[in-house]
Amino acid sequence: AQKVTQAQTEISVVEKEDVTLDCVYETRDTTYYLFWYKQPPSGELVFLIRRNSFDEQNEISGRYSWNFQKSTSSFNFTITASQVVDSAVYFCALSEAKRYSTLTFGKGTMLLVSP
Amino acid sequence: GAGVSQSPRYKVTKRGQDVALRCDPISGHVSLYWYRQALGQGPEFLTYFNYEAQQDKSGLPNDRFSAERPEGSISTLTIQRTEQRDSAMYRCASSPYSGGNTEAFFGQGTRLTVV
Repeated sequence: AQKVTQAQTEISVVEKEDVTLDCVYETRDTTYYLFWYKQPPSGELVFLIRRNSFDEQNEISGRYSWNFQKSTSSFNFTITASQVVDSAVYFCALSEAKRYSTLTFGKGTMLLVSP
Repeated sequence: GAGVSQSPRYKVTKRGQDVALRCDPISGHVSLYWYRQALGQGPEFLTYFNYEAQQDKSGLPNDRFSAERPEGSISTLTIQRTEQRDSAMYRCASSPYSGGNTEAFFGQGTRLTVV
């Protein structure tokens, strides 16, 4: 069965600090996809990134970067020089190729960035 | 519209009443998903449509829950004889491709409260 664990329930940082959100996943499938979504205080879910299991290259997009390590079944998300607008709940999610219709989400990590 | 539209945004209903939640996906999107999100949790999969075909309903919790997408566009999630435990945020998402594993665009959700 597929499972996503986000062990950090809440993280508080001060603006300009770097912060890493952890995500550990479980799957028996060899082909799968990993996602990060952001849920700001307004409540919508905003897609951030999608990676497939065959691509372990780390990705950087502006202040955001993602570290995918199959050896530890982790897909961690780092925000560099955090800003108040980064305050949100961040969800990691997994989709197996065999059960493509389903995204399995973690419980989310609430990030609070204070000025 | 530009994004996934859900209505109503908020619904308060008495226990035992039926409710119908509507989702208007992004125009042209073939895949449509329903998720339920309890407070402090990640979204949980309910059901998936590929065009008008309901291809996966394994996440529907019991037979009081049903969904349809008769013309492959707008979808309705119906909950009969509502119970307090049905209170949650109900989210709809769509994506442009069949087969899933792709970025899903989420609506703002319908907050259902059963009193």
